[in-house]
Amino acid sequence: EVQLVESGGGLVQPGRSLRLSCAASGFAFGDYAMSWVRQTPAKGLEWVGFIRSEANGGTTEYAASVKGRFTLSRDDSQSIAYLQMSSLKIEDTAIYFCIRDIPGATRAHYWGQGTLVTVSS
Amino acid sequence: QSVVTQPPSASGTPGQRVTISCSGGSSNIGSNYVYWYQQLPETAPKPLIYRNDQRPSGVPARFSGSKSGTSASLAISGLRSEDEAEYYCVTWDDSLSAPVFGGGTKLTVL
Repeated sequence: EVQLVESGGGLVQPGRSLRLSCAASGFAFGDYAMSWVRQTPAKGLEWVGFIRSEANGGTTEYAASVKGRFTLSRDDSQSIAYLQMSSLKIEDTAIYFCIRDIPGATRAHYWGQGTLVTVSS
Repeated sequence: QSVVTQPPSASGTPGQRVTISCSGGSSNIGSNYVYWYQQLPETAPKPLIYRNDQRPSGVPARFSGSKSGTSASLAISGLRSEDEAEYYCVTWDDSLSAPVFGGGTKLTVL
């Protein structure tokens, strides 16, 4: 059974950093791109970024709203994807989902349950 | 303002057929597949339709998807109370080189 479990969310002050993890199981993690999407009541679902599989270069793409502040990485040996968030802003407050594959480009069937990040002073 | 737009709300009575639209442009819906997700409160989005009109296993045949030009639609027939949820479309945008989500449609079963 495919499972994606996010962790690392919480309350953080503006300007600080936070790292989210996405622990995967039930599939060959290294074969897949991993994406992050966030959700707020105001904006709905918003794509954050994705990291390709190592076979496809392991390269990353980011939404304009987070580029330069967020960094995606992966540890294929541990089947974990990471989202390092820096210089956090109040508007980064959201539920963050990790997803196997790239929504909108492939059949991104598996989503984690999400982890809440609250940026507030 | 999303490049892909959905009506913010839709409604229907049990047994009715409801459609939810997803409108875009030539760089997104016009040239790429559309995917649909259903999100119940306090849960992660669940895949409903992939590649415009394909249903994952386990999704009832009451749900169907279609695409024409730069618009796509999700149709739900035989509406049930448990269909009350938020529905999102998503596609790839060639100009942005990024996925783009619609703003979501809140479906109310009256």
